[in-house]
Amino acid sequence: NAGVMQNPRHLVRRRGQEARLRCSPMKGHSHVYWYRQLPEEGLKFMVYLQKENIIDESGMPKERFSAEFPKEGPSILRIQQVVRGDSAAYFCASRTGAASTQKQYFGPGTRLTVT
Amino acid sequence: KNEVEQSPQNLTAQEGEFITINCSYSVGISALHWLQQHPGGGIVSLFMLSSGKKKHGRLIATINIQEKHSSLHITASHPRDSAVYICAVSPGETSGSRLTFGEGTQLTVNP
Repeated sequence: NAGVMQNPRHLVRRRGQEARLRCSPMKGHSHVYWYRQLPEEGLKFMVYLQKENIIDESGMPKERFSAEFPKEGPSILRIQQVVRGDSAAYFCASRTGAASTQKQYFGPGTRLTVT
Repeated sequence: KNEVEQSPQNLTAQEGEFITINCSYSVGISALHWLQQHPGGGIVSLFMLSSGKKKHGRLIATINIQEKHSSLHITASHPRDSAVYICAVSPGETSGSRLTFGEGTQLTVNP
């Protein structure tokens, strides 16, 4: 059973470009979380999705950021018109849908650098 | 004030020493997590607990719900334990809520 997959692992974008970060959860996991780790800072929650639904997006910046988790395929975190302040490591985590467990499994992260 | 506070921020130890990292939180939680982040950046979940104590190899995690406090202990520390250790909580009473993280403790174990 492969772990949580994220790609790309490293992404370089110029200011104003779009960044698309992909997350494939573990097999059988229907819940996905995105977290951001700014340089020299702790991890911060961004968004929580289930298949085809956004459950909690309270941590998402109001503009330029969006996320989806379609019925088929990976979850996508999209950042439009990137700025230097978007440079960070973006982690996704997944878990099963079982109410009895909350353990989240983390992907290796995507390190976004905006030049 | 952060909802999750860790101490110390940095910790240097000699190989073989017993290590304790502390975590205090200020919100109601359904679970507390200890995570390990290696220099390469990957994050591994070490423990998830809602009461009592858990042990895995040389690692022990305890939680006191009444005092809103948890500790992570490492016995017989080794240089390969060098990493950032992160305490995180699942706020609220229901499962599935997002994690709120402490700032992490940078542990360095010297040979």
